[in-house]
Amino acid sequence: ILNVEQSPQSLHVQEGDSTNFTCSFPSSNFYALHWYRWETAKSPEALFVMTLNGDEKKKGRISATLNTKEGYSYLYIKGSQPEDSATYLCASYDRGSTLGRLYFGRGTQLTVWP
Amino acid sequence: EAGVAQSPRYKIIEKRQSVAFWCNPISGHATLYWYQQILGQGPKLLIQFQNNGVVDDSQLPKDRFSAERLKGVDSTLKIQPAKLEDSAVYLCASSVRVQDSPLHFGNGTRLTVT
Repeated sequence: ILNVEQSPQSLHVQEGDSTNFTCSFPSSNFYALHWYRWETAKSPEALFVMTLNGDEKKKGRISATLNTKEGYSYLYIKGSQPEDSATYLCASYDRGSTLGRLYFGRGTQLTVWP
Repeated sequence: EAGVAQSPRYKIIEKRQSVAFWCNPISGHATLYWYQQILGQGPKLLIQFQNNGVVDDSQLPKDRFSAERLKGVDSTLKIQPAKLEDSAVYLCASSVRVQDSPLHFGNGTRLTVT
C-alpha cells in the first residue's frame, strides 16, 4: 500500500489570500501524480495529471509543481475566491504491481471566507 | 460529452440488508473504477475493470461485495449483507487509459447503514 500524505488537513483563508497545499508520496516506482478538486454535492474534478520531474502546470489561478526525486507536489491557489472552497485530493500512481494503482491522500479541505 | 452517471444519489438501509449501485461511464472509456470513501479518509479503490474484465479487486471484501461490468459498459456494485462500517460515499469513475489519463467521476452514492 502506497502512503500518500496531504497537508494541511484543513485550511481557512480570507478571500484574496494565496494559499498552497502539499502532497507527499514515495518516490520509488513513481509514474504519475493526480490532483482533483471535490466540491460539496458535486463529483471530483480532475485538475492536473503530472508525470515529469520539475513539471509545472497551470489552470487559471491554480498551479501545481512536481518533484519526483524527493516525492512531493505543491498546489498553489493565487487570490483565493469563495468558489475555490472544496476538498483538494492528490493521488499517486504506483507502477509497482502489474497494472499499477492510484492511491489517494485524505485531502486538504479549503474554506475561503468572503 | 456526457459525464459519468451514477444512481442512486443517496441510500439509507438497515444493517444486513442489501443494496446495489449503478454506474454508466463515459462512452469509449475502457477503464472503470469503484472507490469507497469513508468520512475523513481518502478514496479507496474497491475494483477496477478494463473493458469487462476485472484487473484489480484486491481490496474488495468479497464475502459481501460483488461487482460486474456488463458488456464492457455499465457496471453495478452490490453489498449483501451491509454492515454499519459500509457507510460511505461510493464513487464510480472512468478513464481512457490507466496510468496517466485523468479519472472522470460520477456524483457518487452516499450510503448510510443504520
